[in-house]
Amino acid sequence: AAGVIQSPRHLIKEKRETATLKCYPIPRHDTVYWYQQGPGQDPQFLISFYEKMQSDKGSIPDRFSAQQFSDYHSELNMSSLELGDSALYFCASSPAVVYNEQFFGPGTRLTVL
Amino acid sequence: GNSVTQMEGPVTLSEEAFLTINCTYTATGYPSLFWYVQYPGEGLQLLLKATKADDKGSNKGFEATYRKETTSFHLEKGSVQVSDSAVYFCALCYYGGSQGNLIFGKGTKLSVKP
Repeated sequence: AAGVIQSPRHLIKEKRETATLKCYPIPRHDTVYWYQQGPGQDPQFLISFYEKMQSDKGSIPDRFSAQQFSDYHSELNMSSLELGDSALYFCASSPAVVYNEQFFGPGTRLTVL
Repeated sequence: GNSVTQMEGPVTLSEEAFLTINCTYTATGYPSLFWYVQYPGEGLQLLLKATKADDKGSNKGFEATYRKETTSFHLEKGSVQVSDSAVYFCALCYYGGSQGNLIFGKGTKLSVKP
């Protein structure tokens, strides 16, 4: 069965650089969520999209932005990277925002040096 | 606000031992409850879920019952295996409207020794 695809799987950046993470949801899933998991921490919700519109916002820094495109894939753009942004970034998708489960991708590990 | 509290780890058990990982939640209304598992170096996998009070979720020998009266969703397995070694996250979620994000507990690391 098709799963959530995230790219790249690993990314190394310098401080103050920018990064773009991509997420390709499971076919026919119209909702995408982004989570950030710091080392040894629980995942924290960043932002979500439903039908290409932002549906909810969590603890996403102003330096980050995201969008969902017409083909439902999503991109998380991160600027002015800081050391503290080093984390595992998960994307999840679900078919609708009503009583359905979220399917997680394998994550992108971002390291900021 | 909404939150999840789960027992701190790490938990170390011998193979075939009984497992309980406690999880309690604070929430307004009636959230859905989940257990996710994260194997080393991997993403999150849904282990089981329950969407209303008294529902029992089960999968791969793991079980958890949604207890509204005690606001709990404890994870249990009768006989653990070495392959169950992972980090387990309890989570809650509201669905509907603009909400739908998962709120996770801090995670409990389980190590099973042969």
